[in-house]
Amino acid sequence: ETGVTQSPTHLIKTRGQQVTLRCSSQSGHNTVSWYQQALGQGPQFIFQYYREEENGRGNFPPRFSGLQFPNYSSELNVNALELDDSALYLCASSSRPRLAGGETQYFGPGTRLLVL
Amino acid sequence: AQKVTQAQTEISVVEKEDVTLDCVYETRDTTYYLFWYKQPPSGELVFLIRRNSFDEQNEISGRYSWNFQKSTSSFNFTITASQVVDSAVYFCALSEYRGAQKLVFGQGTRLTINP
Repeated sequence: ETGVTQSPTHLIKTRGQQVTLRCSSQSGHNTVSWYQQALGQGPQFIFQYYREEENGRGNFPPRFSGLQFPNYSSELNVNALELDDSALYLCASSSRPRLAGGETQYFGPGTRLLVL
Repeated sequence: AQKVTQAQTEISVVEKEDVTLDCVYETRDTTYYLFWYKQPPSGELVFLIRRNSFDEQNEISGRYSWNFQKSTSSFNFTITASQVVDSAVYFCALSEYRGAQKLVFGQGTRLTINP
């Protein structure tokens, strides 16, 4: 196990609602990245938080937002849910001494979100 | 833009056979990192290997081996004497050296090992 935890494990919401997903990073890791994985696809990068600041964003609309806390845990918020938001949401943590280096990202078990 | 292609969508072999999963990547960066992850049915992505663009040595770890060839932009993964527990979806991924270092994943290869 990686030590990265996510909650909840499963979630069912209806279109238009808002959802918050949570991630606790591995001890000693200061960076959290979020990915969306649709069924049968590879994960797609949503955004990354490095020392509580957003440090890069993928091709996702502003209704996807996040936070990182002083203990380096993180939240992913999605507003105005759409049917296409149904996916596995993966959180990954890594330890980055500086903003360069290609450190390995370790993934949590994911949250399966179903939007009806 | 960075891109990873895993042309093999599904592979099915009988236990104890050797199997190679192909990965081809595209990037303009001279420094980059390549990864392989395993995703069992539970969904969690399990890290297998990380390689930087300056290290073209092949690597072996038990029954797993990786062949990195910069000349063909390929980073292939071979499982020797496959076992049923190797059944999973395998992803190849590429990361930049600077910036967010987001992982760009291929579509994945679903590997089924039959007893």
